[in-house]
Amino acid sequence: GENVEQHPSTLSVQEGDSAVIKCTYSDSASNYFPWYKQELGKGPQLIIDIRSNVGEKKDQRIAVTLNKTAKHFSLHITETQPEDSAVYFCAASHSTLTFGKGTMLLVSP
Amino acid sequence: DVKVTQSSRYLVKRTGEKVFLECVQDMDHENMFWYRQDPGLGLRLIYFSYDVKMKEKGDIPEGYSVSREKKERFSLILESASTNQTSMYLCASNPTRSNQPQHFGDGTRLSIL
Repeated sequence: GENVEQHPSTLSVQEGDSAVIKCTYSDSASNYFPWYKQELGKGPQLIIDIRSNVGEKKDQRIAVTLNKTAKHFSLHITETQPEDSAVYFCAASHSTLTFGKGTMLLVSP
Repeated sequence: DVKVTQSSRYLVKRTGEKVFLECVQDMDHENMFWYRQDPGLGLRLIYFSYDVKMKEKGDIPEGYSVSREKKERFSLILESASTNQTSMYLCASNPTRSNQPQHFGDGTRLSIL
């Protein structure tokens, strides 16, 4: 089955810096790659997703890139703010979602 | 806005009890999912359902079963709870068979004593 590796497990940045989280996947048939943000006491919430026919997608301060050949995809957050502090999960899917283990992002004012 | 509601935020049960976790979605979604979330392990799929009365095993189905008698409701059942089933349980739904965003509930934190 699919295996998704996510790095780093924790990431601390200063407000205004950029943050990058990287994921790799194993199943070349995977064609959908969502990113979720989970705040304390809440369920995961989709923040951006990308499909295998696209190399990059951007939504305001958030962008995702996909390299199908290398089987890796990354989340980029620019101009980070304290409210970006949360746990972020990547996932890959051919039929069902397989999640990475998560990255705890801490943005210090 | 899609709403996925899990009936309990916190639940404490005893070893050997039969435990029911309930999930309801209000957007007429075909697909529903149960995950468990453990520190350092991310989210792992327990069971899912593409339609009423249908169920499919996920990656870690052992010790669990599910029921989907109505489209909007998906129940997770722990037949005989054990301490290693202490976890956060998350329910999700999405509209079609093809890859579409899943919408999550806020979770049930289950403790088995």
